[in-house]
Amino acid sequence: AQSVTQLDSQVPVFEEAPVELRCNYSSSVSVYLFWYVQYPNQGLQLLLKYLSGSTLVKGINGFEAEFNKSQTSFHLRKPSVHISDTAEYFCAVRELNTGNQFYFGTGTSLTVIP
Amino acid sequence: DTEVTQTPKHLVMGMTNKKSLKCEQHMGHRAMYWYKQKAKKPPELMFVYSYEKLSINESVPSRFSPECPNSSLLNLHLHALQPEDSALYLCASSQSSNPGELFFGEGSRLTVL
Repeated sequence: AQSVTQLDSQVPVFEEAPVELRCNYSSSVSVYLFWYVQYPNQGLQLLLKYLSGSTLVKGINGFEAEFNKSQTSFHLRKPSVHISDTAEYFCAVRELNTGNQFYFGTGTSLTVIP
Repeated sequence: DTEVTQTPKHLVMGMTNKKSLKCEQHMGHRAMYWYKQKAKKPPELMFVYSYEKLSINESVPSRFSPECPNSSLLNLHLHALQPEDSALYLCASSQSSNPGELFFGEGSRLTVL
């Protein structure tokens, strides 16, 4: 089974500053990778995904992520954050050809400070 | 239509009640999921249905009983719950045979008194 690590449980950042949220996964098998955002009292919304192809993936709300196979990482970045980006962010991994199991990281709480 | 619809949004029940959570999707997805989520924690997988058959049960107590009546509907029947079962219950769906993401509903907030 996969292990997905989000080392930073809380990340405070000032408005308009850049941010990086880190995600590492354990297995070297081929994977699909996802970042989800969850606003208070809502479900999870897909920010972006890596299925194949270019390792730099662009998502909604100005977020992007880079897949690094050798480091088994999929870090999320945004060059300039807004107050509205304050939310919980989850990294998720799905292994190829092993069915419908998704593995979630423990989450990173991003707080944007005015 | 890329929505997963969950009802009710909020539910308060006593420990002796029987209630159900409902989930519906019309994206043609053949995998449907129930997750339980506590505050500030990741979603915790409970059940997965693939082509209307239960494929994963993560050792969930029998007071939670899933049902998949057809490819668009997923229910979670609740009976004799405990206060610690209070949580946000999320339904999700995905394509079963191709790679793809989970599509989540807004969740049902359950409080057990």
